[in-house]
Amino acid sequence: QQQVKQSPQSLIVQKGGISIINCAYENTAFDYFPWYQQFPGKGPALLIAIRPDVSEKKEGRFTISFNKSAKQFSLHIMDSQPGDSATYFCAASKLSNTGKLIFGQGTTLQVKP
Amino acid sequence: DSGVTQTPKHLITATGQRVTLRCSPRSGDLSVYWYQQSLDQGLQFLIQYYNGEERAKGNILERFSAQQFPDLHSELNLSSLELGDSALYFCASSEGEGMGGWTEAFFGQGTRLTVV
Repeated sequence: QQQVKQSPQSLIVQKGGISIINCAYENTAFDYFPWYQQFPGKGPALLIAIRPDVSEKKEGRFTISFNKSAKQFSLHIMDSQPGDSATYFCAASKLSNTGKLIFGQGTTLQVKP
Repeated sequence: DSGVTQTPKHLITATGQRVTLRCSPRSGDLSVYWYQQSLDQGLQFLIQYYNGEERAKGNILERFSAQQFPDLHSELNLSSLELGDSALYFCASSEGEGMGGWTEAFFGQGTRLTVV
């Protein structure tokens, strides 16, 4: 019940295209859903996060869509750029302790020029 | 730069040995988290300390232990090391409970441990 399932495992997108990564969670007690971006040799960095009282959150080219009834959320990267090439992790936790995260398995995104 | 400092960056050691990984949180952050990242298990939460006290425990082996000191830096001790302990170990820190609720966690750059 603690799992977060992420798909796809890898993704190749052309520059300017839309990248979409999906996640599903099981534990309905989770109420904080962040996305982290990780470049090789670096630690994960928070990209954007959402709470279940909203269905969508947008920050620049990055949008989280959240479906509470389906227990699913997704990251959309609009106008994908080669600099977006990285590994993306979805995660879930409780607002009472947002650093204690259950991570998805990660998606390696490659944006081709 | 997240402001979280981890040392050393790389560590190579033999099976059966003991190592200590160090983490300095961002200035003002009271909470420290330790994570293990491996190819087969992904990113897994190990343990959390908040202002010197153990706050939460995850999938941490009995051979592993951690502590947080009065100056808020933390150490993760790994003993009786096995080949399977080879992984990236990340420390993250957060302020803790803020005005708008618990604050976000910032990750360090990690320590790559290789057990040979």
